[in-house]
Amino acid sequence: SVLTQPPSASGTPGQRVTISCSGSNSNIGNNIVNWYQQLPGTAPKLLIYGKNQRPSGIPDRFSGSKSGTSASLAISGLQYEDEADYFCAAWDDSLSGPVFGGGTRLTVL
Amino acid sequence: QVQLQESGPGLVKPSQTLSLTCTVSGASISSGDHYWSWIRQPPGKGLEWIAYIYKTGSTYYSPSLQSRVTISLDTSKNLFSLKLSSVTAADTAVYYCARRLSSSSDAFDIWGQGTMVTVSS
Repeated sequence: SVLTQPPSASGTPGQRVTISCSGSNSNIGNNIVNWYQQLPGTAPKLLIYGKNQRPSGIPDRFSGSKSGTSASLAISGLQYEDEADYFCAAWDDSLSGPVFGGGTRLTVL
Repeated sequence: QVQLQESGPGLVKPSQTLSLTCTVSGASISSGDHYWSWIRQPPGKGLEWIAYIYKTGSTYYSPSLQSRVTISLDTSKNLFSLKLSSVTAADTAVYYCARRLSSSSDAFDIWGQGTMVTVSS
């Protein structure tokens, strides 16, 4: 994958966890990062887009940030229902299309 | 609400052409500022953007797949389609159709449930 994510992350209920996403100047460094949540056996769902915007129904426990060519998704007040795969994505100027990270599987212990 | 539904064969032979359709309900694909898209996910792997099409018929393809992909609109049936030629086992994946939010955002805000396509003889 063009964007690099850790394959796994974990936390306990109530904890705050962060998932990182690393790219380059042609994608994250110059464009907005979007985040998706994929629950087991389902399609991805848009979680964070634009400048840390959340679609209707997404709780404010989820937030995104970016610094240089890296981005992060933070989940506060972790819940068992947050156990899922999380993907980052950004437009890539060199490829003229969106690119995705390989995904991070979040386990709630 | 807007819903997308993929359809097509679940098994395609190597070297043949994969053909999928995405039927859109709750919105017209010929109005609004949206791009209609195909994205795939090989088993156990990440997501890969394949192509977009806009209501005007303008098309945009992933450079890595451009030589084998065609995306098209059928406004009379409110659907869009994907054709991927000369398939190999590497094209085995869940194929999703999705709506790109707008011209000013490359976020995919609505997704179909996905359809698994296996390439095998």
